[in-house]
Amino acid sequence: AQSVSQHNHHVILSEAASLELGCNYSYGGTVNLFWYVQYPGQHLQLLLKYFSGDPLVKGIKGFEAEFIKSKFSFNLRKPSVQWSDTAEYFCAVKDTDKLIFGTGTRLQVFP
Amino acid sequence: DTAVSQTPKYLVTQMGNDKSIKCEQNLGHDTMYWYKQDSKKFLKIMFSYNNKELIINETVPNRFSPKSPDKAHLNLHINSLELGDSAVYFCASSQVGDFYGYTFGSGTRLTVV
Repeated sequence: AQSVSQHNHHVILSEAASLELGCNYSYGGTVNLFWYVQYPGQHLQLLLKYFSGDPLVKGIKGFEAEFIKSKFSFNLRKPSVQWSDTAEYFCAVKDTDKLIFGTGTRLQVFP
Repeated sequence: DTAVSQTPKYLVTQMGNDKSIKCEQNLGHDTMYWYKQDSKKFLKIMFSYNNKELIINETVPNRFSPKSPDKAHLNLHINSLELGDSAVYFCASSQVGDFYGYTFGSGTRLTVV
């Protein structure tokens, strides 16, 4: 079965800093990858997804992610974070008929 | 017009009680899920139903029983609640044949005292 690793558990940044959150999945072949965001006290919302094609995927709110097959990675990036990006970020991979989530990365952005 | 709605949003109850959480989706999706999010934010799948048929039943105590009366509804009944059941329970839906990820409900925060 697939698994997902998110190595950054807690990231603290100042506004305007650049962001990169790591995500690695366990094995190759065709993969469907996702990043979800959970704002404090809210449900998970889809930021972006990769199914095939261009490995650089653009999502909502200025986020993007790059699929690197050789590294089994799907890192999330944003060139300039805002205070409103403070949230929990989850990477997920589709495994047969369900999504497997990573343990999440808590991002705190200070003004 | 909420796509995936869960009720109640908050549930505080005593150990030993039995409680239910309801979920409804109006997206026309054929598959619904229950996930448990623990205090460390870890999300773990519990159950999945496709067109009223149970297709995923992870290692969950049999005190938890899902029920899907139709493909738009998935309820979760929990018997003999324990302290360790305290968590946020999320319902989600998807269209398996045309999968674009999940749409999540707003969650039910269950606190067992």
